[in-house]
Amino acid sequence: EPEVTQTPSHQVTQMGQEVILRCVPISNHLYFYWYRQILGQKVEFLVSFYNNEISEKSEIFDDQFSVERPDGSNFTLKIRSTKLEDSAMYFCASSERQGQTEAFFGQGTRLTVV
Amino acid sequence: DQQVKQNSPSLSVQEGRISILNCDYTNSMFDYFLWYKKYPAEGPTFLISISSIKDKNEDGRFTVFLNKSAKHLSLHIVPSQPGDSAVYFCAARGSGGYNKLIFGAGTRLAVHP
Repeated sequence: EPEVTQTPSHQVTQMGQEVILRCVPISNHLYFYWYRQILGQKVEFLVSFYNNEISEKSEIFDDQFSVERPDGSNFTLKIRSTKLEDSAMYFCASSERQGQTEAFFGQGTRLTVV
Repeated sequence: DQQVKQNSPSLSVQEGRISILNCDYTNSMFDYFLWYKKYPAEGPTFLISISSIKDKNEDGRFTVFLNKSAKHLSLHIVPSQPGDSAVYFCAARGSGGYNKLIFGAGTRLAVHP
């Protein structure tokens, strides 16, 4: 069964460092998303991406965040200068159709900022 | 953001019985609702969804009911199995565009033999 894959599964970084979280969405999907879940809190929307551009972003997704689809398969989330409060599980998701009906999520990357 | 609420943080059910997970929402513009299941160290897995124009959707052991007037939906699992033990998230989507999903806080379901 096709699945969304994310690497690495766990990333530890020092505060102020840049991190890149990587995702390989399902191959025929056209819509891509990043969500995060801070420990003990809700899953929160960060950004959606379609046709090589951001289609929607939340207030969390400030100038420190960026997304890119550098080739035909990868979808990345970059945090330029990490803060302690960026520590969370980051989930990538993709969907075939608009509107995130039946969006498929990856297993997540646990980001720990120390 | 309290637009989607799951007021029960946990639920314990005996194997074979019905599990009922509840979700309330405040935004009447939501047009689509989804339930996801999540195991530890895994991402959310899509379970079942319902459009706001319907009041029921069934898929095997899983049924979702939507009461628009009460802004309430529920997920019924029958019969419950130990493998159903997980955290269940209710999510809602706004109408139009590339809409984000707004998640509830989740309900941890434990199905015991």
